[in-house]
Amino acid sequence: DVKVTQSSRYLVKRTGEKVFLECVQDMDHENMFWYRQDPGLGLRLIYFSYDVKMKEKGDIPEGYSVSREKKERFSLILESASTNQTSMYLCASRRGTDTQYFGPGTRLTVL
Amino acid sequence: QKEVEQDPGPLSVPEGAIVSLNCTYSNSAFQYFMWYRQYSRKGPELLMYTYSSGNKEDGRFTAQVDKSSKYISLFIRDSQPSDSATYLCAMGHSGYALNFGKGTSLLVTP
Repeated sequence: DVKVTQSSRYLVKRTGEKVFLECVQDMDHENMFWYRQDPGLGLRLIYFSYDVKMKEKGDIPEGYSVSREKKERFSLILESASTNQTSMYLCASRRGTDTQYFGPGTRLTVL
Repeated sequence: QKEVEQDPGPLSVPEGAIVSLNCTYSNSAFQYFMWYRQYSRKGPELLMYTYSSGNKEDGRFTAQVDKSSKYISLFIRDSQPSDSATYLCAMGHSGYALNFGKGTSLLVTP
């Protein structure tokens, strides 16, 4: 079974804090993705990575950065958290055009 | 025009009904299609993956793809209260990031 895990299910942070969200997959997938999901807006792609140390901006990269130092791990960084970054964050991984698997999500609240 | 359109619902049906969920798309380059089920406050769970036009069946679920009409459907037979969730369609081409619909909220009432 493919497994995508995320470091936290729930997270509460203060405005201005640096926030790290980590994602790990165990199926040697080359592609990994970070999305945020908000009511009425659906899933929006923040960043994706197609290989170690490679990254591409998605639809809404502003205010976020990513890191992929190892194939199995993809981190999302909020350099200075703001209240409009309160959201559900979902990590996913995929091999080529094969099926895409999601993690359980991290519900981030920024106060 | 968005690349993938999906009616948000909510769709409410009685237990045992046949449910039809649909998405339309505009990009003829899309080659593969997925349906996900997402329970409240959880990550999306893959239900079906199809790569060609036609039908694919898995238990109570049938995925249908009509590339000529740019239309995909998910049918749920003998719907159960446990099927109450949001259903997301997704589609892609080559190895690019998937395009998602916004999801349809389904409620199956006992």
